[in-house]
Amino acid sequence: QSALTQPPSVSGAPWQRVTISCTGSTSNIGAGYDVHWYQQLPGRAPKLLIYGNTNRPSGVPDRFSGSKSGTSASLTITGLQAEDEADYYCQSYDSSLSVFGSGTKVTVL
Amino acid sequence: QVTLRESGPALVKPTQTLTLTCTLSGFSLSTSGISVSWIRQPPGKALEWLVSIDWEDDRYYSTSLKTRLTISKDTSKNQVVLTMTNMDPVDTATYYCARMPSPLYAFDIWGLGTMVAVSS
Repeated sequence: QSALTQPPSVSGAPWQRVTISCTGSTSNIGAGYDVHWYQQLPGRAPKLLIYGNTNRPSGVPDRFSGSKSGTSASLTITGLQAEDEADYYCQSYDSSLSVFGSGTKVTVL
Repeated sequence: QVTLRESGPALVKPTQTLTLTCTLSGFSLSTSGISVSWIRQPPGKALEWLVSIDWEDDRYYSTSLKTRLTISKDTSKNQVVLTMTNMDPVDTATYYCARMPSPLYAFDIWGLGTMVAVSS
């Protein structure tokens, strides 16, 4: 069982906004560790989507945004596209060791 | 171009030791601030961080698996090697290696992964 909890699935129609939560505790996100997000397309390796809570690597569309507050973080996709259908994982640290979230499958209706 | 490539056996028997190699290209693990981790993903399940090694040869192990894991690096070959002892069918997974530069503390580049099945 992961120390970071995500909803198993979220869905939305094209152009809608969807938000994925990542809930931790005072030993990980609440301890001040940054949260990072990864997108995993079917059959592919994960790809860094958001780092340092809110930052997008070069080439990541600006419809992806991240936030962090207290013991939780969120990834928002504003203007959902068909190619966004994938699994999404948050990642942070717990007692200085890396930890991933339980993963969320995003379905575009 | 920065890449990582995993290699190793596709099939191991229960109780055997698994050895996987991650070959780095376009960067070096001797560069200050660089670390490489191993991460696995059982079929249909979530990512699980296993272990990391950094440019100073400091090693960090998953609490639940540390008795079974060993990580090492060969800077001359630009490789990172993972060994996992006493393999079990529940260890069947795709194993990834990934780079983490210290300013980000995020995994910015991933290998394609290598699938390892544990079966007799």
